[in-house]
Amino acid sequence: NAGVMQNPRHLVRRRGQEARLRCSPMKGHSHVYWYRQLPEEGLKFMVYLQKENIIDESGMPKERFSAEFPKEGPSILRIQQVVRGDSAAYFCASSRSGVNYGYTFGSGTRLTVV
Amino acid sequence: DAKTTQPPSMDCAEGRAANLPCNHSTISGNEYVYWYRQIHSQGPQYIIHGLKNNETNEMASLIITEDRKSSTLILPHATLRDTAVYYCIVRAENKLVFGAGTILRVKS
Repeated sequence: NAGVMQNPRHLVRRRGQEARLRCSPMKGHSHVYWYRQLPEEGLKFMVYLQKENIIDESGMPKERFSAEFPKEGPSILRIQQVVRGDSAAYFCASSRSGVNYGYTFGSGTRLTVV
Repeated sequence: DAKTTQPPSMDCAEGRAANLPCNHSTISGNEYVYWYRQIHSQGPQYIIHGLKNNETNEMASLIITEDRKSSTLILPHATLRDTAVYYCIVRAENKLVFGAGTILRVKS
């Protein structure tokens, strides 16, 4: 039973390029969450999605960031026109429905903007 | 915003029990207490969670006070690999909100 799969593990982008981060949830999990961790800082919630729906995007920056979780395929976190301040570790987690179920986190994608 | 208070750091001798406290004085009746840890820059790892009763699994024990305003995570025999940031989280909704956590340093 594979865990939460994130790819790529490391991503280098030049300023102004687009970054696409992928997350495949655990089998049987219908909820996906994205978190960002800046260097030497804590985990910050970004967005919570269910299949084809964004449930809570209160942590998403207003511009350049978007997320989706299509009916088929992985969840995608997309960052357009990246800037150096976007350099961070981006973690995806998945869970079953309900507060009595914990999250399972992936290993993260380390984005470096040069 | 995090609803918990944890000490910023703690030290523990290898082989001894590590007791990590957490205050959550504003917890509501339907909110669970969750514990996660993050080793270096890896993805956070689930440890344990509970509502009212004490809980135990292969990793740790969770002791919740009767008034539910505080809890303690116990690692019974800490090893060097348990050195990590430990997060105590109160959860009512689907969203987990992480605070600063406690840096646990296990020393030989």
